[in-house]
Amino acid sequence: GIQVEQSPPDLILQEGANSTLRCNFSDSVNNLQWFHQNPWGQLINLFYIPSGTKQNGRLSATTVATERYSLLYISSSQTTDSGVYFCAVPNRGGYNKLIFGAGTRLAVHP
Amino acid sequence: NAGVTQTPKFQVLKTGQSMTLQCAQDMNHEYMSWYRQDPGMGLRLIHYSVGAGITDQGEVPNGYNVSRSTTEDFPLRLLSAAPSQTSVYFCASSYQKISPGQGHYGYTFGSGTRLTVV
Repeated sequence: GIQVEQSPPDLILQEGANSTLRCNFSDSVNNLQWFHQNPWGQLINLFYIPSGTKQNGRLSATTVATERYSLLYISSSQTTDSGVYFCAVPNRGGYNKLIFGAGTRLAVHP
Repeated sequence: NAGVTQTPKFQVLKTGQSMTLQCAQDMNHEYMSWYRQDPGMGLRLIHYSVGAGITDQGEVPNGYNVSRSTTEDFPLRLLSAAPSQTSVYFCASSYQKISPGQGHYGYTFGSGTRLTVV
């Protein structure tokens, strides 16, 4: 099956700093999604980003499918950005059979 | 519009007991799935459904059963609980919308069920 690796595993930032999270995947995929899990456990879908770049406020994501990686940029980080960020790609045989990476745990301090 | 509702939020079981985790969605999403989340491992797919009456296995299906009699409901049954099933369980619904050059899957997760098997 497809392997999904995220880096770094942990990240600590001061409020206002920028950061880049990386997601590598082992095989070609036709879509990729980023999720945020807040400290209370709620999972929110951030981006569906099979290729190219998308932006949503202070967050943006870029996927380079030919090189099998995706990047999530967080600019001017806020304490509410804390939590775990996951990327996920579909396993063979179904768009809805997502394979998740282990996540990047982000802590933003005031 | 409640989204995806999971019950219970917390549960403690003894080894060998059975139980059902409930999941309901009110968004008329075609797809529903169950994941478990263990420390340091991200989420792993247990079972999924592409519509009422249709279910299939994910990565880690052993010890779990599902059924999908309606679009709205997708319960997960633990047949005989084991300590290895201690985990946080998430139900998700999603849809597939295809427009020229783009696809969306609209994943919406429930708030999770924290299960401990002793």
